[in-house]
Amino acid sequence: GESVGLHLPTLSVQEGDNSIINCAYSNSASDYFIWYKQESGKGPQFIIDIRSNMDKRQGQRVTVLLNKTVKHLSLQIAATQPGDSAVYFCAETRGSNYKLTFGKGTLLTVNP
Amino acid sequence: DGGITQSPKYLFRKEGQNVTLSCEQNLNHDAMYWYRQDPGQGLRLIYYSQIVNDFQKGDIAEGYSVSREKKESFPLTVTSAQKNPTAFYLCASSRDRAETQYFGPGTRLLVL
Repeated sequence: GESVGLHLPTLSVQEGDNSIINCAYSNSASDYFIWYKQESGKGPQFIIDIRSNMDKRQGQRVTVLLNKTVKHLSLQIAATQPGDSAVYFCAETRGSNYKLTFGKGTLLTVNP
Repeated sequence: DGGITQSPKYLFRKEGQNVTLSCEQNLNHDAMYWYRQDPGQGLRLIYYSQIVNDFQKGDIAEGYSVSREKKESFPLTVTSAQKNPTAFYLCASSRDRAETQYFGPGTRLLVL
């Protein structure tokens, strides 16, 4: 079945650097994508979302890019801080679906 | 965690025992969800409810039951039929289908 996958399970960056977390999806019908941040022992926290009629969306220090041609999604975090250390999940849904499909997550570690 | 609360934070289950996890939201959302998260894994959908008095099985509903008698409440019962219940359980809600899901802080269920 369709799935959402992540290219790298772990990512280690230096404080102040920019981070890029990637996500691939397999279903071209997917039309809504969400990035979540999950700190250890806590529930996922919404970061940013994007719909398939957009290529790019910016938030505070975060940018999501969507490339529908290659079915690829990325999350860019500018000036990464130690508080950004967490597992990041992408999730997708399609059409009028209630269900979100989650990837397994990327562990981001920010070194001071 | 927004306006979603889950209790208890930790729950211990004995063999053959049913246990109920609480989820309450004050976001006035119609849809509510239950997910299971195992270590190093993404989230898997157990049940979801689109509206009061209605709910649907997710991908791993066996051994679980739910009810939706009130808009703000969506309790999950882990029955004795669930042979591997140890996991982190997350409740979420959304305004509608294909909308952002907001998560509670989670309940960690352990088996004695």
